[in-house]
Order: sequence, then structure tokens, then C-alpha cells
Amino acid sequence: KAGVTQTPRYLIKTRGQQVTLSCSPISGHRSVSWYQQTPGQGLQFLFEYFSETQRNKGNFPGRFSGRQFSNSRSEMNVSTLELGDSALYLCASSLGLAGTLNEQFFGPGTRLTVL
Amino acid sequence: SQQGEEDPQALSIQEGENATMNCSYKTSINNLQWYRQNSGRGLVHLILIRSNEREKHSGRLRVTLDTSKKSSSLLITASRAADTASYFCATSRGGYNKLIFGAGTRLAVHP
Repeated sequence: KAGVTQTPRYLIKTRGQQVTLSCSPISGHRSVSWYQQTPGQGLQFLFEYFSETQRNKGNFPGRFSGRQFSNSRSEMNVSTLELGDSALYLCASSLGLAGTLNEQFFGPGTRLTVL
Repeated sequence: SQQGEEDPQALSIQEGENATMNCSYKTSINNLQWYRQNSGRGLVHLILIRSNEREKHSGRLRVTLDTSKKSSSLLITASRAADTASYFCATSRGGYNKLIFGAGTRLAVHP
């Protein structure tokens, strides 16, 4: 079974630009979660999508948004990039069944550098 | 914001020794999970322990959970150089997938 894939793996942008990151979950998984990892703040939850609906949201500004398609693939978008958005963005997929304990499988991440 | 803290922040040991990492958290949880991350790469799921469990084993890993103290520990026995990585605990509440991570422990295992 193929793992979680994220594209692109590396990205360099300049302040003010916007960026879109993509995540393809494991086949059969309907939940995709996004996390931001920085040296200063560690791993922080951005949001979770399940069946094309945002189910959970972290404490990030509205510049961070996402969506999920009918095939469970997910994209996250960051608009008006700031230097502090430089980070490793990780997505995780799981079955996402409510009320159960879901093991989350993480992708390799997208390393975003904002100049 | 992070749910809790891990200690130590960094641990350096020799191959064959045991490594123990601790995690504390702040609120009630449904489960606690441990992950490994090699040098800025993705996270690898190691083990999940439910809030009604006290101990769990998986190969060379042993995890304990003390909900009264809001703490967990991860023991890696007979460590190997390949165990060199950062280890994170993550907690979740409710039935969904919002994980709250600790700051992590950087483990270095020297041959």
C-alpha cells in the first residue's frame, strides 16, 4: 500500500506570495490533517478535513486555508506569505472514523522557505 | 500551543543502553501516541496507548501512562545507532484527529 505523498517536497517563495501544497492520503483513508513544524513553535495542528469538510481547526490566521477533494486528496494554501511561515508542513492521513482511535500516518513533508 | 513537555530535551547514550523519555501533558486525554522523526523528515508512528491502559509494549518499545500524573514514558531497550532521531509524544481528545505534540526529545545513540 502506498504511503502518504506530499508535493512539492521543497519550495522557495518570497514574502507576499501565495503557495499551495498538496497531500495524497493512503488509499481508503478519508481524513487528512495538516501540521506546521518550526524550530520555535514545534509541531502545531493546522486543520483536519474529512469527507471534503473541515472538521477541526487550529489557531492559525485566515491566511491558512485548505480543502479536500472527493478522492480525499487535500491541498492547503497560504496567502500573503510571511517570513515566519517558513516551516516543514506535514500532512497525515487516517481512516478518520468518529469515536475511534485513529492511527495517523504522516507524509515526508513539504519544506517551505519564505525569503 | 503545545499540550505538554518532554524531558529530557536531549539524550545521548551508547549502543546497547536503554533510553527513557518522559512526556507530561496538561488536559484530559483519550489517548497518547509516540512518534519518531528522523532529521526533519516525516513522523513515524511508534505506539498508541489509550487512556484506560497503563502499559504497552511493541518490540523494544515500552510505553507507560499515568493519567493521575498526566505523564507518559517511552523506554527503548537495547538501543541501536539507527534509533537516533527525535521522539515526540502527542495527545488527542475527543474522537477526532487533532494531535497536540510535545516539544520532543532528541536522542543520539553512539556506536
